[in-house]
Amino acid sequence: GENVEQHPSTLSVQEGDSAVIKCTYSDSASNYFPWYKQELGKRPQLIIDIRSNVGEKKDQRIAVTLNKTAKHFSLHITETQPEDSAVYFCAASTTKKTSYDKVIFGPGTSLSVIP
Amino acid sequence: NAGVTQTPKFQVLKTGQSMTLQCAQDMNHEYMSWYRQDPGMGLRLIHYSVGAGITDQGEVPNGYNVSRSTTEDFPLRLLSAAPSQTSVYFCASGRGDEQFFGPGTRLTVL
Repeated sequence: GENVEQHPSTLSVQEGDSAVIKCTYSDSASNYFPWYKQELGKRPQLIIDIRSNVGEKKDQRIAVTLNKTAKHFSLHITETQPEDSAVYFCAASTTKKTSYDKVIFGPGTSLSVIP
Repeated sequence: NAGVTQTPKFQVLKTGQSMTLQCAQDMNHEYMSWYRQDPGMGLRLIHYSVGAGITDQGEVPNGYNVSRSTTEDFPLRLLSAAPSQTSVYFCASGRGDEQFFGPGTRLTVL
């Protein structure tokens, strides 16, 4: 089955610096890669996702890149702010137009942005 | 729209007791799933369902049962609670892409 690894497990950055979180997956059939943010005591929420037919996707200060050959995908946060402090999870799944498959998450990265 | 709701929010059980965690969604999503979250372990998939009447095992299914008799509801049953099942449980629903999570149930097994 699918296995998703995520690094680093913890990350501290100064406010205004960039943060990068990297994930690898094992199942070459996976074609959907979402990223979730979980603030302390809250539920996870989707912040960005990418499909296998796209190499990069941006949304304001966050971007995600995908390397299908290497089975790597990464989250990039620029100009970090204290409110970016949270746990970030990457995930992988195989989705189709008419059917769905299980979504497997990585172990998470705890990001701290120091003012 | 209430989204995804879970009950109870907190529960304390004794070893060997059974209970059901409730999950309901009002977004007509076909896909529903249960995760447990433990420190340093991320979100581990317990069971999932791709539609009413269809369920399948995730990464850590032992000790848990599920059923999906309606599109809206996806209860998780603990058959005989063990201390290793102490965790925060999240239910989620979606339509093949974004998953919407419930608020979670914090379960302690003594």
